[in-house]
Amino acid sequence: QKEVEQNSGPLSVPEGAIASLNCTYSDRVSQSFFWYRQYSGKSPELIMSIYSNGDKEDGRFTAQLNKASQYVSLLIRDSQPSDSATYLCAVARDAGKSTFGDGTTLTVKP
Amino acid sequence: SQTIHQWPATLVQPVGSPLSLECTVEGTSNPNLYWYRQAAGRGLQLLFYSVGIGQISSEVPQNLSASRPQDRQFILSSKKLLLSDSGFYLCAWSGAGVTPLHFGNGTRLTVT
Repeated sequence: QKEVEQNSGPLSVPEGAIASLNCTYSDRVSQSFFWYRQYSGKSPELIMSIYSNGDKEDGRFTAQLNKASQYVSLLIRDSQPSDSATYLCAVARDAGKSTFGDGTTLTVKP
Repeated sequence: SQTIHQWPATLVQPVGSPLSLECTVEGTSNPNLYWYRQAAGRGLQLLFYSVGIGQISSEVPQNLSASRPQDRQFILSSKKLLLSDSGFYLCAWSGAGVTPLHFGNGTRLTVT
């Protein structure tokens, strides 16, 4: 079992729809959870971080964390073609060392 | 504001040749520094991390090494490259504690 697993994808949604990205992790003592966006050929950039159970909203993005279920998700509302990218889930336990999932590729069709 | 510089952007090297990738961070002191590698279509694999000058932890045994000669400089090296060393190499920094990573632009290495 991988330490961090994401929807294998690819995921395709129409413009304006909600995109839902899911991630599960195996290490119960993980403290911090991050979503990064990576455009093709570019380096990842942080879009959301979440540290406690519940929802965290930032603009069109909402991260959800359920530590009991070891599950973290990212919702993108009103999806835009510019949201088309690979989304990486990362889980950190200590000293900032993050373990990454393989990513889910999202395509938003105009 | 903090910035991270990584070079070169692309590199094509023959098998058996040496490697040196460099990364520097500006605008912060005593950052945690990391080298990650990403294979095509995959997630990021942590190679090395450092919490201070001369302090290097290796996550994956291999023919690569890392050094941190100055507080904000991190170097990835190899004496002899293998074909399997090809990939996208990313340097990153973070603050103290369990905080997000901030990545450089990456180096795409092709070993031929």
